[in-house]
Amino acid sequence: GAGVSQSPSNKVTEKGKDVELRCDPISGHTALYWYRQSLGQGLEFLIYFQGNSAPDKSGLPSDRFSAERTGGSVSTLTIQRTQQEDSAVYLCASSLDRGMNEQFFGPGTRLTVL
Amino acid sequence: RKEVEQDPGPFNVPEGATVAFNCTYSNSASQSFFWYRQDCRKEPKLLMSVYSSGNEDGRFTAQLNRASQYISLLIRDSKLSDSATYLCVVSSGGGADGLTFGKGTHLIIQP
Repeated sequence: GAGVSQSPSNKVTEKGKDVELRCDPISGHTALYWYRQSLGQGLEFLIYFQGNSAPDKSGLPSDRFSAERTGGSVSTLTIQRTQQEDSAVYLCASSLDRGMNEQFFGPGTRLTVL
Repeated sequence: RKEVEQDPGPFNVPEGATVAFNCTYSNSASQSFFWYRQDCRKEPKLLMSVYSSGNEDGRFTAQLNRASQYISLLIRDSKLSDSATYLCVVSSGGGADGLTFGKGTHLIIQP
């Protein structure tokens, strides 16, 4: 079956612009995660959804970052007033349920803020 | 102390050799453990789960030492295609806040 998909695959934007990243999880997966990975660095947890609710937003680096999930499926991560330090690969993952289950990752969105 | 620590490497290993690396974790309540593999500019993918009794999958063996709070990954008869970054992942079973990724160990298999 289809895996996790993300769009766009690459995004180049100017400092100060808003961007919206999209994630389509595997059908039936209730848990959805957003991570950020800067060049040569580990995964940085951003936010987690169980269904449409986000019980853990602790990883969002600032109030410029927000995310939502509708219909228990597609999620969007929005970054307002982008800064150069926002440049990274944004990875989305989904799992059958939270916690101990395998997370399946999408290919990521490479964001470059000029 | 970092929650999940790994030696970043790189580990340069000749093809056919055996290589092992460890990962230590700080949360003694951790319940589940995994090794993920990440190729350059690709997304992480599950390599194997780590069970209390240890488990083997072909050339790969994973072991857990709860007393010392570390897990290990052993790769036998290494192949060029094993070159990747290996991420240690520890879960305390409480959702995303209980799933912590290490920064990874970079492995390079040389011909």
